[in-house]
Amino acid sequence: EAQVTQNPRYLITVTGKKLTVTCSQNMNHEYMSWYRQDPGLGLRQIYYSMNVEVTDKGDVPEGYKVSRKEKRNFPLILESPSPNQTSLYFCASSFGGAYQPQHFGDGTRLSIL
Amino acid sequence: TQLLEQSPQFLSIQEGENLTVYCNSSSVFSSLQWYRQEPGEGPVLLVTVVTGGEVKKLKRLTFQFGDARKDSSLHITAAQPGDTGLYLCAGETSGGGADGLTFGKGTHLIIQP
Repeated sequence: EAQVTQNPRYLITVTGKKLTVTCSQNMNHEYMSWYRQDPGLGLRQIYYSMNVEVTDKGDVPEGYKVSRKEKRNFPLILESPSPNQTSLYFCASSFGGAYQPQHFGDGTRLSIL
Repeated sequence: TQLLEQSPQFLSIQEGENLTVYCNSSSVFSSLQWYRQEPGEGPVLLVTVVTGGEVKKLKRLTFQFGDARKDSSLHITAAQPGDTGLYLCAGETSGGGADGLTFGKGTHLIIQP
């Protein structure tokens, strides 16, 4: 089954404790991206990647890092999480780029205390 | 950042009624996508429109892309409870997928039986 898998689905942690949210897709997609979704602010793009070893900042990249060492994986790293990063995070992938249909994971709900 | 304004923000109507939701911008988009998101899940693509003036139909849903490619609308005929969800539009500006994807804040739609 074609899918985008995020882990964990839920996480409660404390300020300053490094964490990684993993994202994996099995569709051989080139384009992958991370979004955060907040009430009243909608979905905002954090980072995106056009292919292996190619990443670019989205609209809200501050406080986040990403890497794209393999085509299928695109982890989101919070080196020193803060409470304002409490949010619902989505990973998405597509074949070709932003103009192609995006396939979303089911989301990761992060709470930073 | 290219802004996409969606209206109305919230809409609650009775089953069987018709409705239209809007997605507007001052920017020109190479393509525009519509997604529906249900609670606890990631957005799912409904349609992509590319050509100015284009109209696409998906059963009872009709999507239109403005002639100038700055706006779009979604019309639902004879709404059903299963249409309930968050409707999101997303625009891409570069035409080649090299840029990111900008989402509107969405329209929360509730169809009451």
